[in-house]
Amino acid sequence: NAGVMQNPRHLVRRRGQEARLRCSPMKGHSHVYWYRQLPEEGLKFMVYLQKENIIDESGMPKERFSAEFPKEGPSILRIQQVVRGDSAAYFCASSSRQLAYEQYFGPGTRLTVT
Amino acid sequence: QKEVEQDPGPLSVPEGAIVSLNCTYSNSAFQYFMWYRQYSRKGPELLMYTYSSGNKEDGRFTAQVDKSSKYISLFIRDSQPSDSATYLCAMSANDMRFGAGTRLTVKP
Repeated sequence: NAGVMQNPRHLVRRRGQEARLRCSPMKGHSHVYWYRQLPEEGLKFMVYLQKENIIDESGMPKERFSAEFPKEGPSILRIQQVVRGDSAAYFCASSSRQLAYEQYFGPGTRLTVT
Repeated sequence: QKEVEQDPGPLSVPEGAIVSLNCTYSNSAFQYFMWYRQYSRKGPELLMYTYSSGNKEDGRFTAQVDKSSKYISLFIRDSQPSDSATYLCAMSANDMRFGAGTRLTVKP
């Protein structure tokens, strides 16, 4: 399967814990985007990364959220001290070029904060 | 006003009907216009994209963009139950903005 992979698919955390979401882009893709989707709402852009660089984090909350895309390994979205409002589906997308329109999405990670 | 407006529906049609899905937008800088299909509990899947104004056809799907009216449409001909999904419009200048999605059900 050469598609975008995300794990875990479902993640349950208690308030105050940390959540780590992983994304492996499609083979040959070096651009990764993270989105958040709340029920009945569209996808909200969070952050755009290339290998070892954050290109655009304008959609990321200033506190508790961070993202990285190391030289080796998957991209990671990290949420510290989770709160109930963080419960959502988090999608990762990848592209082969710096062209925002041609993005391919993973299956998402559904985060539930209890 | 949201940058991208999309009627969330739900929209229910009989099999074989022509479906029309629409979005409006306010940012005239958008140049690329996309339609994604999202099945329940799955990630969005890119259906079609169009650059600037005009029409684009792919099988039963036709995308239209009218930049003068800031209005885009997706038409599905001969709709099938397998088309039942949420359809998201998206637009891009330097980054991507999505509509809220329209939930479509095609009844056999």
